[in-house]
Amino acid sequence: DIVMTQSPDSLAVSLGERATINCKSSQSVLYSPNNKNYLAWYQQKPGQPPKLLIYWASTRESGVPDRFSGSGSGTDFTLTISSLQAEDVAVYYCQQYYSNPPKCTFGQGTKLEIK
Amino acid sequence: EELLLESGGGLVQPGESLRLSCAASRFTFSNYAMNWVRQAPGKGLEWVSVISGSGDRTFYADSVKGRFTISRDNSKNTLYLQMNSLRAEDTAVYYCAKGRELELLRISFDYWGHGTLVTVSS
Repeated sequence: DIVMTQSPDSLAVSLGERATINCKSSQSVLYSPNNKNYLAWYQQKPGQPPKLLIYWASTRESGVPDRFSGSGSGTDFTLTISSLQAEDVAVYYCQQYYSNPPKCTFGQGTKLEIK
Repeated sequence: EELLLESGGGLVQPGESLRLSCAASRFTFSNYAMNWVRQAPGKGLEWVSVISGSGDRTFYADSVKGRFTISRDNSKNTLYLQMNSLRAEDTAVYYCAKGRELELLRISFDYWGHGTLVTVSS
C-alpha cells in the first residue's frame, strides 16, 4: 500500500501569513502515460465532512479561493495557503488515488490553527 | 449542487450486522463511481470501498474485505454498505463520497455526505 505522510502534524500561523503543509508518498503517484499526479488535498472543519480543495496535485476545485495552491510531483507535494484567513482553521488531508487496483490512502492530517 | 445523504448508522454489538444507505440527488448517479470513507472518533480519514457507476466493479480496504459489501441501485440513486461481523474498531462516522470525474474509479472525491455514525460496542 502507498503510505502518505504529512508534515507537520500541527501548525500555527498568524493571520495574513503563509501556511505550508507537506505530503510525502511512499512511492511515486505520477502516472507517466498522462503525466498526472494522482494527489488531492482536502480541508475538514469540525463537525463537517471533508471538502475537496486541490486535485491532480495542483488544480484548484471550483469555488476554492485562489490563496490555496498545490504543488509537487512524484513523491513530494505541498499545499500552500498564501495569506491565512480565520476561516482556514481546519485539518488538512492529502490523498493518493494512484493505486491500481483502486485503493486510495490519506495522510494522517495536519491541524492548522491561528497563532 | 450535488447532494448525498447517509442513513442507517446506530449502536450495534460486536459480531452484528448493519446496512448503510446513501441517497444521491442532483447528478446523474449512474455515471459516477461512489466511495465509502470512514473516520473513527478524533482520528483521520480511512477509505473503505469503491464501486463503479454500473456496479460491476468493487474494491475494498484490507481492513473490511470479506466482511463489508458495497452495492448500488441506480434506479433508486442509492449507494449501500452492508457491514457484517462488526468489530469495535469499525466504530466511526461513515461518509459516502462521489468520484469527481465521469466513470473513473481512481479519482478524487468532489462531494461528501455529512456522514452517519456507527458504534460497535457491547
